[in-house]
Amino acid sequence: RKEVEQDPGPFNVPEGATVAFNCTYSNSASQSFFWYRQDCRKEPKLLMSVYSSGNEDGRFTAQLNRASQYISLLIRDSKLSDSATYLCVVDHFGNEKLTFGTGTRLTIIP
Amino acid sequence: GAVVSQHPSWVICKSGTSVKIECRSLDFQATTMFWYRQFPKQSLMLMATSNEGSKATYEQGVEKDKFLINHASLTLSTLTVTSAHPEDSSFYICSAFDRVSAYNSPLHFGNGTRLTVT
Repeated sequence: RKEVEQDPGPFNVPEGATVAFNCTYSNSASQSFFWYRQDCRKEPKLLMSVYSSGNEDGRFTAQLNRASQYISLLIRDSKLSDSATYLCVVDHFGNEKLTFGTGTRLTIIP
Repeated sequence: GAVVSQHPSWVICKSGTSVKIECRSLDFQATTMFWYRQFPKQSLMLMATSNEGSKATYEQGVEKDKFLINHASLTLSTLTVTSAHPEDSSFYICSAFDRVSAYNSPLHFGNGTRLTVT
């Protein structure tokens, strides 16, 4: 089983729709969780951290389910500019050594 | 905010030559930096952890004699791909941890180096 697993997609979603991704992780002792966004041929950029209580930032909502070992990302009212690859990232040991999922590719269609 | 500068952004070299990539933390000190490699349509894979003033820690399967890492100061780590071959062509990205902003942003990434070996 991969340490961090994501559905690679692609997800093709009409503009304005709501889309959700899940990501599972294998190490129950994992410390920290993040969603990063990566545009084609660019470096990853932090989208949001994922807190135990869940957190929201504008149109983006992240949730953590420790019991089932998954995190989720919800994007509401999707924009064309949301088209990117979304990376699920886990810090297993709290030592900054992050493990990346393969990413979920999202394309927003006009 | 914290910025990590990576240079060069892209490089084309001939097979057998060596290429050095620099990673600098511009406004913070980084005792630890990380080097990743990303092949097309694949995830970022950690290659090694660069530790200031000591030897780098390499991930399993990464040849330390081929990918030389030097972290001589708190703001600079270098990755040298020695005797590069076409299969080394990839996107190399560094990152550094800013402990001051750790809660909100654990790692800051360089803009990556696209290496093409002909």
